[in-house]
Amino acid sequence: GEDVEQSLFLSVREGDSSVINCTYTDSSSTYLYWYKQEPGAGLQLLTYIFSNMDMKQDQRLTVLLNKKDKHLSLRIADTQTGDSAIYFCADNQGGGADGLTFGKGTHLIIQP
Amino acid sequence: DVKVTQSSRYLVKRTGEKVFLECVQDMDHENMFWYRQDPGLGLRLIYFSYDVKMKEKGDIPEGYSVSREKKERFSLILESASTNQTSMYLCASSGTRAFHTEAFFGQGTRLTVV
Repeated sequence: GEDVEQSLFLSVREGDSSVINCTYTDSSSTYLYWYKQEPGAGLQLLTYIFSNMDMKQDQRLTVLLNKKDKHLSLRIADTQTGDSAIYFCADNQGGGADGLTFGKGTHLIIQP
Repeated sequence: DVKVTQSSRYLVKRTGEKVFLECVQDMDHENMFWYRQDPGLGLRLIYFSYDVKMKEKGDIPEGYSVSREKKERFSLILESASTNQTSMYLCASSGTRAFHTEAFFGQGTRLTVV
């Protein structure tokens, strides 16, 4: 069945770049998403990319998509303590009422 | 400012109690969802609804039911709460904008069953 995989933890030093990786299995996904969950809060859409794009940049965030390998990454430049959160990769399986398929989330830990 | 509001942030209930978790959205979305979130397991879909009075089972519906009498409100019901239902519960609604699905989440309800 449909699966979205990501590692559970990533630890980086403040000021370095963070790269969070995700793989997915459904080649019919038209959009891929990154959601951020801060402690004690719900998920918030961070950014998304359409499947015919290779890259999308938005300030400190860069999303890279390798459709051939079904690999998605989120790069956060100049990582700050406020970036500490759980980051969820998701795809839309071509859309529809059954919603998004989420990975298990990567917990980004910032070291001073 | 779009909103999905869950009625409680924290709940403590006793084993065997009937528990209602309420969720309201103000975006006129057709689709609403209930997930539970557990450490190391990510988000697991319990039930979803794509229209008033319509409901579909997600991946882990056992022990839960739902109600959608109005478009803006989606309720999750634990018929007889058990300790293994202690979890964070997240409600979401989604709509299609420029062909892509965008989901909005509530702040979550942390339920403890004792």
